[in-house]
Amino acid sequence: SQQGEEDPQALSIQEGENATMNCSYKTSINNLQWYRQNSGRGLVHLILIRSNEREKHSGRLRVTLDTSKKSSSLLITASRAADTASYFCATDAWMDSSYKLIFGSGTRLLVRP
Amino acid sequence: GAVVSQHPSWVICKSGTSVKIECRSLDFQATTMFWYRQFPKQSLMLMATSNEGSKATYEQGVEKDKFLINHASLTLSTLTVTSAHPEDSSFYICSARRPRDGELFFGEGSRLTVL
Repeated sequence: SQQGEEDPQALSIQEGENATMNCSYKTSINNLQWYRQNSGRGLVHLILIRSNEREKHSGRLRVTLDTSKKSSSLLITASRAADTASYFCATDAWMDSSYKLIFGSGTRLLVRP
Repeated sequence: GAVVSQHPSWVICKSGTSVKIECRSLDFQATTMFWYRQFPKQSLMLMATSNEGSKATYEQGVEKDKFLINHASLTLSTLTVTSAHPEDSSFYICSARRPRDGELFFGEGSRLTVL
């Protein structure tokens, strides 16, 4: 079952603007990860944030995690047309007697040149 | 380079035939692999957890007789879509968990089109 919900479902911004995507989940987690997927392609791992971390940076990416609210956000600063893709959060959690990675519903980002 | 390899990357088959997709971990032995399915413009849905040397664990709603999973070795898991129908057309992605740190690595995916 899918445990993460993301909003917005779709986001269209101008190149140079910042893009923020939010993810909410339901159960306790080991870590939360963000992935990127270009249309029809495989996944690209962006960043992993552990349950005891609150914020993490990687280049133009900033991820926050609030375990009390069971939510995370991904901020892409100074967006580029090449950032156009779908972005998914995924929670690594203990479910049904094993650790599983469950994906959120995703946000489709369009960066207009 | 690729840590997890999937084959084939795309396949077209006739309705009623069976299709096998392979997932190989290249750099480590994976006792646990996962199979996901993704329909167009949707997210990845976990289908099953593949455990080396034992039966796969299927998610609710996934037909185990339809989607046969075999994890016969520590580096190979296979997904066989039996008696495929057009509604089985989808993007199938596998992942392998590296034992030493639990990190997950994804294959490039296999696009199945059933005519």
